Amino acid sequence: GQSLEQPSEVTAVEGAIVQINCTYQTSGFYGLSWYQQHDGGAPTFLSYNALDGLEETGRFSSFLSRSDSYGYLLLQELQMKDSASYFCAFDTGGFKTIFGAGTRLFVKA
Amino acid sequence: DTEVTQTPKHLVMGMTNKKSLKCEQHMGHRAMYWYKQKAKKPPELMFVYSYEKLSINESVPSRFSPECPNSSLLNLHLHALQPEDSALYLCASSQDSGRDAGELFFGEGSRLTVL
Repeated sequence: GQSLEQPSEVTAVEGAIVQINCTYQTSGFYGLSWYQQHDGGAPTFLSYNALDGLEETGRFSSFLSRSDSYGYLLLQELQMKDSASYFCAFDTGGFKTIFGAGTRLFVKA
Repeated sequence: DTEVTQTPKHLVMGMTNKKSLKCEQHMGHRAMYWYKQKAKKPPELMFVYSYEKLSINESVPSRFSPECPNSSLLNLHLHALQPEDSALYLCASSQDSGRDAGELFFGEGSRLTVL
């Protein structure tokens, strides 16, 4: 079957670094993406990894290991506005993107 | 213009009503999507259109009927819905190929309540 697993909740303090892990299982895999969604808002694209390794975009980095079916999102210099839900998602090709259950990140002062 | 626009933002309908949700994008994307999202749950894929042709239907009940009139527009026609269909309906678009096909641009969604 196809599935993704990520922690349901993570709490961290302002200014800290937090890592949100994602493991996946699928027969067809093109890449792993990450989305942020604030309460009441729409998902917003953060990053996409098609190849193994680290991709860095500002305070956010994303990592993929295809051999381990594993990826993570790293958020540095946490700010209160980073409190949101974070979804990992894989696309299986043919425009099919499947989302994980999401991780709610709480950033404390 | 990197926006996906959805109307209406809120919709309340009875189980016997017929209504439509609309989505528009002008980014030249040739893939467009409908997702359904319940509270505190991930988006669930419903339909995908590629080059104005339906390419994916995730076994969605026939009371939901998608339509892609042209490359910029996507509609979702609703008829005889059930209260459990109440959710946020998200439209998205993406490039049709290459690395950027992995990036979905979402609209703000249409929040549907079925009474």
